[in-house]
Amino acid sequence: AQSVTQLDSHVSVSEGTPVLLRCNYSSSYSPSLFWYVQHPNKGLQLLLKYTSAATLVKGINGFEAEFKKSETSFHLTKPSAHMSDAAEYFCVVRSTGGGNKLTFGTGTQLKVEL
Amino acid sequence: GAVVSQHPSRVICKSGTSVKIECRSLDFQATTMFWYRQFPKQSLMLMATSNEGSKATYEQGVEKDKFLINHASLTLSTLTVTSAHPEDSSFYICSARKGETGYGYTFGSGTRLTVV
Repeated sequence: AQSVTQLDSHVSVSEGTPVLLRCNYSSSYSPSLFWYVQHPNKGLQLLLKYTSAATLVKGINGFEAEFKKSETSFHLTKPSAHMSDAAEYFCVVRSTGGGNKLTFGTGTQLKVEL
Repeated sequence: GAVVSQHPSRVICKSGTSVKIECRSLDFQATTMFWYRQFPKQSLMLMATSNEGSKATYEQGVEKDKFLINHASLTLSTLTVTSAHPEDSSFYICSARKGETGYGYTFGSGTRLTVV
C-alpha cells in the first residue's frame, strides 16, 4: 500500500519569503513522487517529479523538492514566494509495484500575502 | 508537450438526466486514462482506470453502471454520469498517461458538474 501525508492543510507566507510545503510518504516499493499545483477550478499542473534519479529535483517556477529516504519525506520549497504561487498543492506518490495508480495527498492551500 | 483537453468545463443538468464528459489527448496517444472526482476543498479520488479497447477498472465504491466510461480510441475517453442526482455534483478531472513508463501523467482542466 502507498500513501502520502501532507502535514499542513494551509500555509500562509508573505511575498518574497521562503515557501515550505511538507509531504511524507509511505510505500512498499521504490516510489515515484510528484508535486502538482491546482489553481481554482482548474486542472492540475506538474511542478516536478522524483523518479529515482537525483534526490534534489528542480521544477518549474522556481520550485524544488528533496527526496529523503531516511525521513520518507519529499518537501516542496521555493526561496521566494510570489503572489501567483497562491494555489492548492498536492503531493502524489506512485509505487512501481503498485501499477499505474497515483495516490494524492489531501492538499495544502498556499496563501501569499503582500 | 503533452496536452489533454477536457470538455465541457462546466455543465448544469437536471436530476435524472445523463451527462457526458470528454477527455482527449491532443498530441499523443494515451493507452491509459484515469478519471478522478474532487469534492470541494478535498483531494482527488480515483474513480476508474480506462484502457483503450477494454473495459474500465473501477475503484471500490464507484458504481460502474452510474459512471460509464468508454475508451474507444487512443486519444479519447468519455465519462457519462447516468441518471444524475445532486449528490453527483462535483469536479471531475481526467488524466492521460503518455508512454509505458508511467511517469508522464497529464491532467485535463476539469469539468464542474452541477445537478439541479
